[in-house]
Amino acid sequence: GENVEQHPSTLSVQEGDSAVIKCTYSDSASNYFPWYKQELGKRPQLIIDIRSNVGEKKDQRIAVTLNKTAKHFSLHITETQPEDSAVYFCAADNFNKFYFGSGTKLNVKP
Amino acid sequence: NAGVTQTPKFQVLKTGQSMTLQCAQDMNHEYMSWYRQDPGMGLRLIHYSVGAGITDQGEVPNGYNVSRSTTEDFPLRLLSAAPSQTSVYFCASSYSTLNYGYTFGSGTRLTVV
Repeated sequence: GENVEQHPSTLSVQEGDSAVIKCTYSDSASNYFPWYKQELGKRPQLIIDIRSNVGEKKDQRIAVTLNKTAKHFSLHITETQPEDSAVYFCAADNFNKFYFGSGTKLNVKP
Repeated sequence: NAGVTQTPKFQVLKTGQSMTLQCAQDMNHEYMSWYRQDPGMGLRLIHYSVGAGITDQGEVPNGYNVSRSTTEDFPLRLLSAAPSQTSVYFCASSYSTLNYGYTFGSGTRLTVV
């Protein structure tokens, strides 16, 4: 099956700074890569996704980039705010199921 | 739409007991999955289904059974609970995993003593 690795496991930034979370995957057959945000005690919620035929996608302060040749993709959050504090998960679709990274705990300090 | 509904929200079991975690979705999604979430280990796939009558194993299927008799329902059965099954369980569904992410249920926090 697919193996998704995510780094860093924790990330602390000052409010207004940018944050970058990186993921790698192992199976070149994976073609769809969603990102989820999970606040404490809540369910994961989809925040952005990217398909393999696209190199970059942006939605306001968040963006995702994909390098299919290198098999890695990244989440970029600009102008971070305290409400961005959460755990973020990357995932890769592989034959009708999603494999998740181990998560990044983002702490945005006011 | 209620989305993905999971019950119960909390459960305490004794070692060796069995139980069923319920999951229902009203979005006519074909794809449904069960994940467990443990600290530092992300979300690990237990079982998944690509439609009514079709199920398959994920990364950590031992000790769990599933069935999918209807599009809406995807229950997870713990056969003989063990302390290692203490976790938060999430059910999730999707219209198509090729183009859409999951919608998650609110989770079940299970403690096995």
